[in-house]
Amino acid sequence: GAGVSQSPSNKVTEKGKDVELRCDPISGHTALYWYRQSLGQGLEFLIYFQGNSAPDKSGLPSDRFSAERTGGSVSTLTIQRTQQEDSAVYLCASSLTLHSNQPQHFGDGTRLSIL
Amino acid sequence: AQKITQTQPGMFVQEKEAVTLDCTYDTSDQSYGLFWYKQPSSGEMIFLIYQGSYDEQNATEGRYSLNFQKARKSANLVISASQLGDSAMYFCAMREGQMKTSYDKVIFGPGTSLSVIP
Repeated sequence: GAGVSQSPSNKVTEKGKDVELRCDPISGHTALYWYRQSLGQGLEFLIYFQGNSAPDKSGLPSDRFSAERTGGSVSTLTIQRTQQEDSAVYLCASSLTLHSNQPQHFGDGTRLSIL
Repeated sequence: AQKITQTQPGMFVQEKEAVTLDCTYDTSDQSYGLFWYKQPSSGEMIFLIYQGSYDEQNATEGRYSLNFQKARKSANLVISASQLGDSAMYFCAMREGQMKTSYDKVIFGPGTSLSVIP
């Protein structure tokens, strides 16, 4: 597709369940980013990938969060044993490279609600 | 320390008027990029404009222009001839340097909510 695609668009799940969020970046974009946005808040950086490699995982909120990217394309963000504070919109973005002049193109996000 | 500061949590502007949204940033890097994004109530993040730290001219994109004052570390967004569709959250963002593996991410400010009044 032309833009960044995220699925599902909405996810409602019970506390304690695992969830997997998917991001399909723009074709050819080597850099991929995950952010979290709580209601009425700014963007909280979670993790980025250059190719399949994630050099900096310090932004992940806890060890319940993990992310991977395979084939330099699709990425999945997994949250294990979900908690209510995990409820947020999870945004994925991609950019052509990591160069400082490259804008990020965002997907529409996954709205995660933990009951 | 806050890297990106947007001091206006909410702004109002009359339709067809111009409005300036403030952004100041903090970096010790010489090479960096500054971005503005728009987020309507529908939630998508829309890239508006980019300014490189070495760019001598202020960036312009249609009705958007960036008032870049490097010495003051400010990158204010100016929207001319406001339209009702401009009502949204606006985020200022910065990417420092290039390929710093320990800290290569885009940092976003807290945002400014702009409401355009008919």
